[in-house]
Amino acid sequence: DTGVSQDPRHKITKRGQNVTFRCDPISEHNRLYWYRQTLGQGPEFLTYFQNEAQLEKSRLLSDRFSAERPKGSFSTLEIQRTEQGDSAMYLCASSLAGQGRGEQYFGPGTRLTVT
Amino acid sequence: SQQGEEDPQALSIQEGENATMNCSYKTSINNLQWYRQNSGRGLVHLILIRSNEREKHSGRLRVTLDTSKKSSSLLITASRAADTASYFCATGSGAGKSTFGDGTTLTVKP
Repeated sequence: DTGVSQDPRHKITKRGQNVTFRCDPISEHNRLYWYRQTLGQGPEFLTYFQNEAQLEKSRLLSDRFSAERPKGSFSTLEIQRTEQGDSAMYLCASSLAGQGRGEQYFGPGTRLTVT
Repeated sequence: SQQGEEDPQALSIQEGENATMNCSYKTSINNLQWYRQNSGRGLVHLILIRSNEREKHSGRLRVTLDTSKKSSSLLITASRAADTASYFCATGSGAGKSTFGDGTTLTVKP
């Protein structure tokens, strides 16, 4: 049973460049979440999907950020025109909705450094 | 803004002692989860407690939930050096997302 995987694990980019991250959830999980975490803080919610539908987006998710989950399987998070303030760990999690479930299982994260 | 607040921010104990961390939150919840995060790594799910539950156990972990006080506690008994990590509480409203606090950093000295 494989867990949540994320790719790449580390990304260094120059300000103004676009970056895309990928998340592969646990296979039977229908919910997928993106969070952002900066040093010394807890994860901050960005967005989540149930199957292929994006059900909620945080106000933190500016128009430079877009997330997709085609076919309800893997998801991508794209940041356009990166800024130094985007430097953070981007975490993906998945869960099984319904039946009183709620446990979210996290991937190892993608650490983004914008220079 | 974060919903949950952990207390204390940092805790240092000797191996074998018990560690207690607290979490307070502001609005009504559907469930509350505790996670562990080792430095620079992803979060590991520890335990979920639902709003109609008062206490749950998992190995050396004991979680309590007091919805009237909007607070939860995580007790780690007989701590080990390997328990050194940051611990986060996360509240769920039932709509999907979880809202995290800023964590308690636990150091267990051998």
